[in-house]
Amino acid sequence: QSALTQPASVSGSPGQSITISCTGTSSDIGGYNFVSWYKQHPGKAPKLIIYDVSHRPSGISNRFSASKSGNTASLTISGLQAEDEADYYCSSYTSTTTLGVFGTGTTVTVL
Amino acid sequence: EVHLVESGGGLVQPGGSLRLSCAASGFTFSTYEMNWVRQAPGKGLEWLSYISRSGTTIYDADSVKGRFTISRDNAKDSLYLQMNSLRAGDTAVYFCARGRFGDYFDHWGQGTLVTVSS
Repeated sequence: QSALTQPASVSGSPGQSITISCTGTSSDIGGYNFVSWYKQHPGKAPKLIIYDVSHRPSGISNRFSASKSGNTASLTISGLQAEDEADYYCSSYTSTTTLGVFGTGTTVTVL
Repeated sequence: EVHLVESGGGLVQPGGSLRLSCAASGFTFSTYEMNWVRQAPGKGLEWLSYISRSGTTIYDADSVKGRFTISRDNAKDSLYLQMNSLRAGDTAVYFCARGRFGDYFDHWGQGTLVTVSS
């Protein structure tokens, strides 16, 4: 299955806002509201930060917000903090395979 | 608190087999769908296998179909991944993850490393 496309890296200064895009097709992101986002520190397990396009699990900071438009989903981190440095992955249900698909991953750097 | 703990990883020769286990606690295991996801060194995430609550419905990625088998024992609160005919390309950290089919994974284990090498 083809992975969803994310920028390899995004950076920002503390306090700034950054946005990570996740581009798919009408068979995945564009066709369903089953987009999720995960944060992963090196050597650790991924952690769910957004589900069903824009919902935050309990305990996740409201500095994380997400949306989708057409075939592209977006994750915005506002008030960037040092602890936000990590890899971020999007994921979506897809009708083209029996399992879902992940994005290529984005490394966020806080300058 | 939900806990998922994988075990069974290690070094195995190409063509060999390995069985991974995932011990669940902190929730009613039998009422949740489960999955295996892997991550090759320095690479992204790959959804490998899904199993329904009862174990009667299973889906596998094309990359492991016919070689890997997901299963569960609800009496033991455990998830398994039987891996046969292992290849160098299967070298990865293997995570078990709780989540509905086609939707999100709300809890992950810490992962277990599988290295396929001669």
